[in-house]
Formats: sequence, C-alpha cells, structure tokens
Amino acid sequence: DAGITQSPRYKITETGRQVTLMCHQTWSHSYMFWYRQDLGHGLRLIYYSAAADITDKGEVPDGYVVSRSKTENFPLTLESATRSQTSVYFCASSERSGGAGEQYFGPGTRLTVT
Amino acid sequence: AQTVTQSQPEMSVQEAETVTLSCTYDTSESNYYLFWYKQPPSRQMILVIRQEAYKQQNATENRFSVNFQKAAKSFSLKISDSQLGDTAMYFCAFIPYSISNFGNEKLTFGTGTRLTIIP
Repeated sequence: DAGITQSPRYKITETGRQVTLMCHQTWSHSYMFWYRQDLGHGLRLIYYSAAADITDKGEVPDGYVVSRSKTENFPLTLESATRSQTSVYFCASSERSGGAGEQYFGPGTRLTVT
Repeated sequence: AQTVTQSQPEMSVQEAETVTLSCTYDTSESNYYLFWYKQPPSRQMILVIRQEAYKQQNATENRFSVNFQKAAKSFSLKISDSQLGDTAMYFCAFIPYSISNFGNEKLTFGTGTRLTIIP
C-alpha cells in the first residue's frame, strides 16, 4: 500500500539492548524525519534527512543513530536502550523542504524499555 | 531557537458549539509556516490547517479556521460546529521558511491541547 509505514508498532525491550525502528515511505519523498512524543513535551525531532546519505541531528539525538542508504527507508537505531527512551516514535516524510512541504506521519511505534 | 506555547492542556466543549485553541510562538524569523495537527486516539498525526506567515488572510478549512496575529505571534484555531470526531490532541507547530537551506527544515511543536467534545 502507498504511504508511510513503521514497524514494529509495539516493542518491549530491555535496558542495554540494541533496537531498530523501521520507517518506509512509497512516495519517494526527499525529506524524512524521526520524532519522539512524550507527555509534556509534544513531539521532538531526533534526526532528519534531506536525501539518501544526508542526515543531521535534531533536538534530542543522543543515544540514537540513523542511516539512509535508500530514499524510501530511514531506520532509527537505539544502540543501547535506556528507560528514558521509552516513548512513542513517529517517522515522517516530506516532498519539499520547510513549510512548503507538508510532513506526512507514520502511525507511530510505542517502545517500552524495561 | 523557536518556541511554541500551548497554554491550555485540556479543554472540553459541548457538541455543535464553537471552541478556540490558543497557540503563541517566539521566533526571530520573518518568514515561516504555522500548522495545527490533530492526533486522535488512533495516534495518527493529521494536518488540520496551515498558515503562511507572509499571507495576511487567515487560513480556513471547512469548520476549521485560524486567527493569525503576526505582530502578537499568536495562532489560534477555531473549530465551529464541533463534532464528536473532533475529540483529539491538537498540536500547534512552527517551521521557518526555507528553499534550500538544509538544516532549517525543523518543525517545532507545542505540548498540545487535549480537546474533548461532549455529546
């Protein structure tokens, strides 16, 4: 199906484990984003990418790694998960930069770190 | 750095009534976009309405309209004839205008307003 998908939708992991959250979009949008949503903070940008092999840090990048070898995929890896990374993670994509391009959001991944 | 403030954590209103959600922001940018996103219980983020700062006319989308006051840095959302399906979290968001300046395409969100429509 066309659109932006995230997997898994729910994940429980233990402290110290590596976890990868997947994001896939079928529109060939240049821009992709990862946000985390926490109570009292709204959505905060973790990392973003303007194109394949071009990524940059957002507001809260510590403890996360991204890669973008293909335009359609933008995985987010927690190298050593901590309890503070328990959150809902959203991936988004946009055709154009800035506000000229609407950001389309995936359904989110609820991650629990025990 | 930009900040977005939503001072109403929760609101409720009777079905069919009108409700206004407030949002203020702080920026040194002269050109930017403002958004209202809706997040229903399904968790899906849905764009409700967008306003371009250089346009003086307030944006409208069916029952949704905004009151954009650039000088006051205020961007409120009005929902007319509210419906049960409007029950959701509403987020105000800001992004600077950018054509090719990579590094500036960052949406800044407020903390959200939880709106409940009462039957």
